[in-house]
Amino acid sequence: SQQGEEDPQALSIQEGENATMNCSYKTSINNLQWYRQNSGRGLVHLILIRSNEREKHSGRLRVTLDTSKKSSSLLITASRAADTASYFCATDLANAGGTSYGKLTFGQGTILTVHP
Amino acid sequence: EAQVTQNPRYLITVTGKKLTVTCSQNMNHEYMSWYRQDPGLGLRQIYYSMNVEVTDKGDVPEGYKVSRKEKRNFPLILESPSPNQTSLYFCASSLWGPSGGASSTGELFFGEGSRLTVL
Repeated sequence: SQQGEEDPQALSIQEGENATMNCSYKTSINNLQWYRQNSGRGLVHLILIRSNEREKHSGRLRVTLDTSKKSSSLLITASRAADTASYFCATDLANAGGTSYGKLTFGQGTILTVHP
Repeated sequence: EAQVTQNPRYLITVTGKKLTVTCSQNMNHEYMSWYRQDPGLGLRQIYYSMNVEVTDKGDVPEGYKVSRKEKRNFPLILESPSPNQTSLYFCASSLWGPSGGASSTGELFFGEGSRLTVL
């Protein structure tokens, strides 16, 4: 199975509500990144959190990382119809010594629909 | 404008007819990578390159070749395409790779994708 697995697979909310997406992974990481993809387009980087960080903010985005549980969450506050997209977590895998393999492994994504 | 450019964007071909998908970046990035995206499977890494003349297999390299003769270009070659290679392909680049460094966040910049159909 994939290194990163997102939950839920699909999320439907109303404008103004918060959206929370979760990501779980299996092996040690250097960092975890979140990307957004609008229908069939290229992915766009949203935020990166390193393995020694627990929380990061960027505008309406809040990301948490729990390395003991090997999980991360992305919170989008006060969502807008324009936030409708697929969201992917991606992990930069590390070996036992903490060195990156140079591979960024993506999960299957969460499809977020925000209704006006 | 900083960008990753892929060509062709759409291609329909037949089994066994060799094809190349080109990828070029104008950001002087050391790291480049190819992914394929299939419904229900997310993005899977095919090959990546940490710098010129250095390439490594990703998770699904079978049936693909790559080369990195210059920093800006990273073509994906399908020597004998088969229907199971029908997919949406993305090229991506990063300054130093996904782990980043003092001057880089590790962010990947993606092209707009190449939709390939093999009949």
